[in-house]
Amino acid sequence: RKEVEQDPGPFNVPEGATVAFNCTYSNSASQSFFWYRQDCRKEPKLLMSVYSSGNEDGRFTAQLNRASQYISLLIRDSKLSDSATYLCVVNCPPGGGGNKLTFGTGTQLKVEL
Amino acid sequence: EPEVTQTPSHQVTQMGQEVILRCVPISNHLYFYWYRQILGQKVEFLVSFYNNEISEKSEIFDDQFSVERPDGSNFTLKIRSTKLEDSAMYFCATTDPSSGNTIYFGEGSWLTVV
Repeated sequence: RKEVEQDPGPFNVPEGATVAFNCTYSNSASQSFFWYRQDCRKEPKLLMSVYSSGNEDGRFTAQLNRASQYISLLIRDSKLSDSATYLCVVNCPPGGGGNKLTFGTGTQLKVEL
Repeated sequence: EPEVTQTPSHQVTQMGQEVILRCVPISNHLYFYWYRQILGQKVEFLVSFYNNEISEKSEIFDDQFSVERPDGSNFTLKIRSTKLEDSAMYFCATTDPSSGNTIYFGEGSWLTVV
């Protein structure tokens, strides 16, 4: 089983649509969870952290279910500029501090006119 | 926003040559990382570095790879004898608990081995 598994893409949606991405992770010792956005041939950029209580940042809502080891991202009123690859990322820090991020393969989103 | 800077942005090298990729971390960050992304594949952890030593490394990070912070500023990744399969984007990242453990990525160094 892959460490972090995401919906296959691409998702092609019209502007204004609502789109949801799902992700599952295998390591129950994972401690923190994120959605990153990656544009073509660019570095990953943090979109938002994901908390157990669920959290919202503008048009973006993230949910975490630790029992099911499941993470989701909802984008409302999608814009052309939302077109990118969305990476589900899990942090399982090694002992002694620091971080170790495990990335999913990403889901590509294309928002069209 | 603070920045992690990487050089070179793109390097083409012949198979078997040594390559050094450089990263200037955000000042006062203490944890440093290298990740790589082969074209069309996921971002993969290579190594983490803290207090002038490797704190963790992945199975990808074999004897061909090494990291160091020789002058207290640059954080380097050396690939001793490059192989075709080393062609990838290499991302440096840094973090510090005082910054809430947010991980900052550099723009990447694109390595092409021919």
